[in-house]
Amino acid sequence: DAGVIQSPRHEVTEMGQEVTLRCKPISGHNSLFWYRQTMMRGLELLIYFNNNVPIDDSGMPEDRFSAKMPNASFSTLKIQPSEPRDSAVYFCASFFRGSTSSGNTIYFGEGSWLTVV
Amino acid sequence: KQEVTQIPAALSVPEGENLVLNCSFTDSAIYNLQWFRQDPGKGLTSLLLIQSSQREQTSGRLNASLDKSSGRSTLYIAASQPGDSATYLCAAPNFGNEKLTFGTGTRLTIIP
Repeated sequence: DAGVIQSPRHEVTEMGQEVTLRCKPISGHNSLFWYRQTMMRGLELLIYFNNNVPIDDSGMPEDRFSAKMPNASFSTLKIQPSEPRDSAVYFCASFFRGSTSSGNTIYFGEGSWLTVV
Repeated sequence: KQEVTQIPAALSVPEGENLVLNCSFTDSAIYNLQWFRQDPGKGLTSLLLIQSSQREQTSGRLNASLDKSSGRSTLYIAASQPGDSATYLCAAPNFGNEKLTFGTGTRLTIIP
């Protein structure tokens, strides 16, 4: 498998513009996460989906952020309008959630490096 | 709410030495704990996942231990190599769901 695929890898945009980040999870995985990483705050969970359904979006910072998962193989994270403080690395991650709570390895994409100027 | 702490934030050791990275967590009702490695400009790679029923997990030169009662985990790296230089993060789930809380990581530098 190619792993978790994110696009774009790098984006520089002007304040006020809409930004859309994309993620293709590993085939067969049924849970998907969006994380944000900054020097100041480390890794923060923004939202996660189980079977394409948003389970917890309490980490989404503001109404300017939205995420969708229209099917098992695709998810988007949208920022509209973008602000300089949104500059960060955004990671998508996926794993297979089985019938027990023992847990499985979570796999991360390479990240989307966003700079808002 | 789970809180995860990693100390030290940075560590430099000469090549060949054995070393230990520390991780502590507040909510001990976890069903697993994971250690990750992050290279500059890259995503996170899972190194070891320890189930709550296990005390240790080994992969090559890496050994991770878990002590739920004390809320601690350690990552032991034997015979360190320059290629081990990276940031190491531990992550613990919040009880009852898959939300992982990450520590801020330990930036490890192995000096040749």
